[in-house]
Formats: sequence, structure tokens, C-alpha cells
Amino acid sequence: TQLLEQSPQFLSIQEGENLTVYCNSSSVFSSLQWYRQEPGEGPVLLVTVVTGGEVKKLKRLTFQFGDARKDSSLHITAAQPGDTGLYLCAGGSNYQLIWGAGTKLIIKP
Amino acid sequence: DARVTQTPRHKVTEMGQEVTMRCQPILGHNTVFWYRQTMMQGLELLAYFRNRAPLDDSGMPKDRFSAEMPDATLATLKIQPSEPRDSAVYFCASGIVDTQYFGPGTRLTVL
Repeated sequence: TQLLEQSPQFLSIQEGENLTVYCNSSSVFSSLQWYRQEPGEGPVLLVTVVTGGEVKKLKRLTFQFGDARKDSSLHITAAQPGDTGLYLCAGGSNYQLIWGAGTKLIIKP
Repeated sequence: DARVTQTPRHKVTEMGQEVTMRCQPILGHNTVFWYRQTMMQGLELLAYFRNRAPLDDSGMPKDRFSAEMPDATLATLKIQPSEPRDSAVYFCASGIVDTQYFGPGTRLTVL
């Protein structure tokens, strides 16, 4: 059974701080995606990484796919209240996604 | 800006009633997924279709849930009879290969 473990489950920090969220598995995935979900809405795709070692940047967000394509990290620099939300990682496998349990992030002004 | 649409957005019903949720996937996407999200369980895959054919519905309680895709523009999820434990947010997503785009969800409350 493929599993994705996400950590931390919950993170509350002050505006301006940096943070990293991790997504780990013992399985290899064809792709790794990060989504953000806000209350009352569906998850919204932030980024897809497909190559081992790949790094993608989206403004203050940096996403990395592990060399072995089993893990990923999301780093936010100088977090802002607008970054608040539930961050979900998902591993691509045979047209389906294996989902992590999510990291609930709160950025306090 | 193409989006997945879901109706209704909210549904309150009594135990034993039939509930039907509808989804219009993004045109051109060949996969459609139904998920259920609760605080306790997170995001659970209920069923998914590829090119309108059901590929996996192992996540659904078979005795009460059914999912269909009568045409490329409509996917339905039906619960009959509904139970209080079915209360959750139900999401439809459509996609190509591994990427999925979610609708806004149907928040179901079964009393």
C-alpha cells in the first residue's frame, strides 16, 4: 500500500518567518503535486514536480522533489497571512493520486 | 477560465433520503474522481472514471453509494439511503494523467 506521510500536521507561526513542510514515502511516484485548500473550497493545484531532484519556485514558495522521487518539501520564505490554509501533497501513481493527510498552516499577523 | 462545477453546493437531508450530487468536469479531461473529505479521515477517494469508464470504486460503500458518468459532461454520485455518517464535503475532480482540478464541493449534512 502506497502511503504519503506529511509533517507537521499543524503549524502556526508569525508573519515574516520561514517554514518547511515535508512529504515522505517509501514508494516511488511518477509525479508529486502540492495543493492548497482554503475553507469552503476545493484543493487548488500549486505545482507539479516530475523529475528527481527538481526544484520549482512560485514567488516565495520553493518546491523540491527528492532525487529518488519518494519525498518532497515545500518551503515558504517570509510567510504572510495570505499563505494560511491546508497544504496537501499528492503522489502520482497510475493516473491516481495518493494523498497526504495535509498540513494546516496558520500565519499570524 | 475552465472550472469543474458541482451542484448543489450545500445539501441538508434526513436519514434515509436519497441524495444525488452532480459534477461537470472540465471539457477535454479524461479522468473524473469523486472524493469525500472529513476532519477525521481527510481526503478519501470514492471512485474514479477514465474516458467515462469506471475504473475503481473500491472506496465506496457499495450497498448505498453509486457513481455514474452518463456522458462526458456529467458525473453523478448517489447515496441511497443516506445516513448521518455520510455527512461530509464531497469533491469532484477532473484531470489529465496525474493532475487533478477540483470543484468547490458539495457540503452534505444528513440529520
